[in-house]
Amino acid sequence: AQTVTQSQPEMSVQEAETVTLSCTYDTSESDYYLFWYKQPPSRQMILVIRQEAYKQQNATENRFSVNFQKAAKSFSLKISDSQLGDAAMYFCAYRTSYHSNTGNQFYFGTGTSLTVIP
Amino acid sequence: DTEVTQTPKHLVMGMTNKKSLKCEQHMGHRAMYWYKQKAKKPPELMFVYSYEKLSINESVPSRFSPECPNSSLLNLHLHALQPEDSALYLCASSGPWRGRNEQFFGPGTRLTVL
Repeated sequence: AQTVTQSQPEMSVQEAETVTLSCTYDTSESDYYLFWYKQPPSRQMILVIRQEAYKQQNATENRFSVNFQKAAKSFSLKISDSQLGDAAMYFCAYRTSYHSNTGNQFYFGTGTSLTVIP
Repeated sequence: DTEVTQTPKHLVMGMTNKKSLKCEQHMGHRAMYWYKQKAKKPPELMFVYSYEKLSINESVPSRFSPECPNSSLLNLHLHALQPEDSALYLCASSGPWRGRNEQFFGPGTRLTVL
């Protein structure tokens, strides 16, 4: 089974600074999808950014970008110009391709709790 | 519409009660999920309905039973729960839908078992 590892249970960043959250995964597949989800305290889980494994270009969404290293099985999230509203739990998630017999299953890391210091 | 709705938002029940949680999506997704989530922990998969086929996490006790009346609706029936079942219960669905492959999550039902 696929495993997703987030080695930083907690991180903090000064407002307006940049922070990088780490994620590694283990898989024998070549085709898959990776995601970062954000879950603010007592609020809904929402997607931050997605990356298809077949794409070499790193995904970017406004202040959020990823560093996808397929050979190293690494998928880190960089948050630039951090804002107070970025404070949340961040979960890294992996999904196999649709051609896999587990194509509709998602595997989550243990999460990183991000604090933004004013 | 990218919304997954869940009702109720909060539920308090005794250990002898029977209740149901409801989830609905209108994105045409053919996979729907129930997760249990404790504070500051990742969601734990309980059940997946994918193209009307049910997959079960075998560690889930039988006091939880899912039902999928149609591809847009997902219920979770609760019976004789224990206090340790108190948690946030998340429903999610996944596509593909308009080129998007992620899971869409509902806001969750906060369950307290007394």
